[in-house]
Amino acid sequence: AQKVTQAQTEISVVEKEDVTLDCVYETRDTTYYLFWYKQPPSGELVFLIRRNSFDEQNEISGRYSWNFQKSTSSFNFTITASQVVDSAVYFCALYSGAGSYQLTFGKGTKLSVIP
Amino acid sequence: DSGVTQTPKHLITATGQRVTLRCSPRSGDLSVYWYQQSLDQGLQFLIQYYNGEERAKGNILERFSAQQFPDLHSELNLSSLELGDSALYFCASSVQGARTDTQYFGPGTRLTVL
Repeated sequence: AQKVTQAQTEISVVEKEDVTLDCVYETRDTTYYLFWYKQPPSGELVFLIRRNSFDEQNEISGRYSWNFQKSTSSFNFTITASQVVDSAVYFCALYSGAGSYQLTFGKGTKLSVIP
Repeated sequence: DSGVTQTPKHLITATGQRVTLRCSPRSGDLSVYWYQQSLDQGLQFLIQYYNGEERAKGNILERFSAQQFPDLHSELNLSSLELGDSALYFCASSVQGARTDTQYFGPGTRLTVL
């Protein structure tokens, strides 16, 4: 069975601060895929990034960066110089299991960026 | 805009009623997924279709059913509605429905059961 834990329920930061959202996953599979999705107040789910279990190279995209560490089963997401538009609920998700076709989501972390 | 469309955006109905939610996948995607998002359960996978055939089932109630049509759009039917069915229902699509795919989500249908 797979599980995704986002221990931070809510985070508040002041605009321009950096913020890291934590994600810890559990799976018995050696091949799996990890995702981050963003859900702004408007409600839609927006895909941000996907990482494969065999590629631990960290990634930076603009103000976003992701730190994938298999040794600690973590896939953390950092926003640098946060902006009010970053306010949203962020979900970490796991796709694993040869016979599984479903994404397992964490409970989400609500990020509020205060101007 | 993910390219996945869902209608209606909002739906308000009464207990015991039946509703149909509709989803059109991104152009070229063969697989459709349905998810339910509620405050207490979070985001939960309901069911997946690939090219018209059911591929996987998750926590879908017997009162709920779905299908994918030859033009690849999908419908989720919810019947004998209860107050607890109030939730945001998402449709997602992907190219092949494989683990290597990324699922792209539609804007969701917010169902309120009164």
